[in-house]
Amino acid sequence: DVKVTQSSRYLVKRTGEKVFLECVQDMDHENMFWYRQDPGLGLRLIYFSYDVKMKEKGDIPEGYSVSREKKERFSLILESASTNQTSMYLCASSPLANMGTSYEQYFGPGTRLTVT
Amino acid sequence: AQSVTQLDSQVPVFEEAPVELRCNYSSSVSVYLFWYVQYPNQGLQLLLKYLSGSTLVESINGFEAEFNKSQTSFHLRKPSVHISDTAEYFCAVSEADSWGKFQFGAGTQVVVTP
Repeated sequence: DVKVTQSSRYLVKRTGEKVFLECVQDMDHENMFWYRQDPGLGLRLIYFSYDVKMKEKGDIPEGYSVSREKKERFSLILESASTNQTSMYLCASSPLANMGTSYEQYFGPGTRLTVT
Repeated sequence: AQSVTQLDSQVPVFEEAPVELRCNYSSSVSVYLFWYVQYPNQGLQLLLKYLSGSTLVESINGFEAEFNKSQTSFHLRKPSVHISDTAEYFCAVSEADSWGKFQFGAGTQVVVTP
């Protein structure tokens, strides 16, 4: 079974702190994704990576950055956490989808981040 | 750009009654369609997907969804729900030229009561 793990289930940080959220997948997937989930808004894509050191902005990248130094690991960084970044963060991975194909995404359990 | 609309934010339903969750999308290219389920305090799990072929797809736990291209819909149904079906359900769309990126709907919370 595909396994996607996230470093923390719950995290509490103070405004202005630098925050790292880590995600690891064990299925050699090319694609990795970071989403935030908020009530009534569903999942919104923050960043997407389709290969090591490659990244692409999603719908809401402001205030976030990412790092992918190894294929299995994708990190989300909040350079200076703010209260409006309090949310559930979900990581996902999938095989690379070429033109004309698609694959399901496999999700981690999520990290509930509270910024005070 | 594509968009995904889940028309109901919450659906209360009695145990053993049928349920339908509606999902509509807008896109100018071919799409692939997915339904995910999220149980409390868990990540998302794939329920079923439409990639090609038969427009009616089924899951192992009794859910089914039908892709209707003319109405740009992918509604999810179950003829008889259980208490354990209480969860949030998300519709997702991937465009053929998006390299695997998804657009998610806002979610529908299903609450099953005895």
